[in-house]
Amino acid sequence: KQEVTQIPAALSVPEGENLVLNCSFTDSAIYNLQWFRQDPGKGLTSLLLIQSSQREQTSGRLNASLDKSSGRSTLYIAASQPGDSATYLCAGRKKTSYDKVIFGPGTSLSVIP
Amino acid sequence: DGGITQSPKYLFRKEGQNVTLSCEQNLNHDAMYWYRQDPGQGLRLIYYSQIVNDFQKGDIAEGYSVSREKKESFPLTVTSAQKNPTAFYLCASSIRTGAGELFFGEGSRLTVL
Repeated sequence: KQEVTQIPAALSVPEGENLVLNCSFTDSAIYNLQWFRQDPGKGLTSLLLIQSSQREQTSGRLNASLDKSSGRSTLYIAASQPGDSATYLCAGRKKTSYDKVIFGPGTSLSVIP
Repeated sequence: DGGITQSPKYLFRKEGQNVTLSCEQNLNHDAMYWYRQDPGQGLRLIYYSQIVNDFQKGDIAEGYSVSREKKESFPLTVTSAQKNPTAFYLCASSIRTGAGELFFGEGSRLTVL
C-alpha cells in the first residue's frame, strides 16, 4: 500500500500553461513535505520544503502548499517552460523508530514547445 | 560550491563481486543516507547515519554495508549477498535527521553482468 501517492502519473501540457501536481499521504504523522525534481539518469534536486509550521512555500514560478489535515500537498508551476520537463517527486517526513522520509512515485511532466 | 559527490557514475560488476560506491559531502551535514531507486518502486532507504561512527539499517539493508568514519564520507558496499543489485543508487544528506532539506548527489548506476 502506497503511503504517498501522486496524481497524475504523467502529464503533458503546452508551453505557457499553469499546472498543478498533486501529492496525497495517508499517514497523519507526516510533519513536513519536500518537493523534488529529477531529470532522466540524474539525482534529485530539491525544489521546496514545507516545514510543519508552514502552509506554503514559494520559489520563483513554483508554489507548494501543505494541508496536513487533509493529507494533501500541491505543487503549482506557473507559465510552464520546456525546461520544466522532468519527473517531480514529493516526500513526506515522519517519526518512526527512526526519522523516515517516504517518497511518492512521481509525476512525469512534459512541456511541449 | 557545496554539494554531494557520488562516484563512480556508472559501474559494472560481475556476479559474486563486492563493489563500493563513494559519497562525499562538503555541506557540513551530520545526517547522510543511501537510497536505491528501481523503476516503478520509488526510492527505498538502505542505510542512514545520524553522526560520525554511527549508522542504522533502513528498509532494505540486507546485502549492503556502510561505514561513517568521517563526517563528510559515507561509502556504501554492495556485497555478493545482495540478490538483485542492479539499480540506481542515490546518496543524500541533511543538516541532521528530522530537520532541514534533504539534498541528493547525482547517483551511481550499478549493473551486474
